[in-house]
Amino acid sequence: GESVGLHLPTLSVQEGDNSIINCAYSNSASDYFIWYKQESGKGPQFIIDIRSNMDKRQGQRVTVLLNKTVKHLSLQIAATQPGDSAVYFCAETLIQGAQKLVFGQGTRLTINP
Amino acid sequence: NAGVTQTPKFRVLKTGQSMTLLCAQDMNHEYMYWYRQDPGMGLRLIHYSVGEGTTAKGEVPDGYNVSRLKKQNFLLGLESAAPSQTSVYFCASRRLAGDDEQYFGPGTRLTVT
Repeated sequence: GESVGLHLPTLSVQEGDNSIINCAYSNSASDYFIWYKQESGKGPQFIIDIRSNMDKRQGQRVTVLLNKTVKHLSLQIAATQPGDSAVYFCAETLIQGAQKLVFGQGTRLTINP
Repeated sequence: NAGVTQTPKFRVLKTGQSMTLLCAQDMNHEYMYWYRQDPGMGLRLIHYSVGEGTTAKGEVPDGYNVSRLKKQNFLLGLESAAPSQTSVYFCASRRLAGDDEQYFGPGTRLTVT
């Protein structure tokens, strides 16, 4: 209900530690997945994506893992920095056509100095 | 390039009033999207467009209309605003290529009293 949506899951980590943010997606037909970062008062910003024919993809300090068997995504951020503080969303879609994104609820990442 | 811009940034409406939100992109993108984001939740797709002169319904289209008369602009209209439409509205655009990301605007915060 609405009260659940108001309380974002929160992850607090120490600066320099690695962060792992998890996401369960809903549609087994989805074949394209994206992680977005949203800072306060701004629009979502693309971080990394992965197609369903892969189970891991790495970027700069970020890694996305995909487990299609249990419909689960994770975002790993290495050596977390203060600038990583934000809300992180996963999104799922079909890569062909209009790519209508379906977003997860989001996780707030807080970095402790 | 300015990317994706949205006008206005903030607006307060009374119940029953109407307004139009403007989204503009200067990247020559074919696809454009309107999402809404309620507190503590991910974005939900309202309407989208796959090209000039075409529009289609998303996940939560009721109470909204859209138009794409020019390729670079995508307008979102509220004919009779309701308090349930209080939200932050984000526009996004994307190239035709399947693996390109959606680029988001900064958002419009709308309050309906």
